[in-house]
Amino acid sequence: GAGVSQTPSNKVTEKGKYVELRCDPISGHTALYWYRQSLGQGPEFLIYFQGTGAADDSGLPNDRFFAVRPEGSVSTLKIQRTERGDSAVYLCASSPNRDQYNEQFFGPGTRLTVL
Amino acid sequence: DAKTTQPNSMESNEEEPVHLPCNHSTISGTDYIHWYRQLPSQGPEYVIHGLTSNVNNRMASLAIAEDRKSSTLILHRATLRDAAVYYCILRAVYSGAGSYQLTFGKGTKLSVIP
Repeated sequence: GAGVSQTPSNKVTEKGKYVELRCDPISGHTALYWYRQSLGQGPEFLIYFQGTGAADDSGLPNDRFFAVRPEGSVSTLKIQRTERGDSAVYLCASSPNRDQYNEQFFGPGTRLTVL
Repeated sequence: DAKTTQPNSMESNEEEPVHLPCNHSTISGTDYIHWYRQLPSQGPEYVIHGLTSNVNNRMASLAIAEDRKSSTLILHRATLRDAAVYYCILRAVYSGAGSYQLTFGKGTKLSVIP
């Protein structure tokens, strides 16, 4: 079946611009996660959704970052006034529910480059 | 959160077994040990997890020390496709905030030599 998909695969933008990154989770998965991965580092947690609500947004670095999941399926990560330090690969993952035993299924990521 | 320690890198010859170690000396009694791997230019993928007993699946085996302060991921016959960064992650079994996401370290970069 279809896995987690993310669009675009690459995004180049200029400092100060607004960007949106999209995640399509596996159908029926209620839990959705966003992570950010800088070069040479492991992924770093940003935000977790259970259904439509953000159950934990403690990983968002500041108020320029925001994410939504209005219908409990597709999620969009929004970054305002982008900075060069936001350049990274943004990963989305989903799992059937929030059970800690469940594996998370990751998408291929969106590589964001801020010039 | 309990942390894990892994070697930065390891090498293996193709078709040889590989033992990837992980130390987690501050593990709590209800922490599960999970392993994920990340192939180049891909998102991480689940490999295996366990609590106390050794576990086997089609991808790998997980050997857990009796005191649970360390574990070893075993790839029985390394192939070139197994070249990846392997992450050892502890997941707490409680429902509080912070318990659902994965906390990645830097992992072990495995190189497989043909």
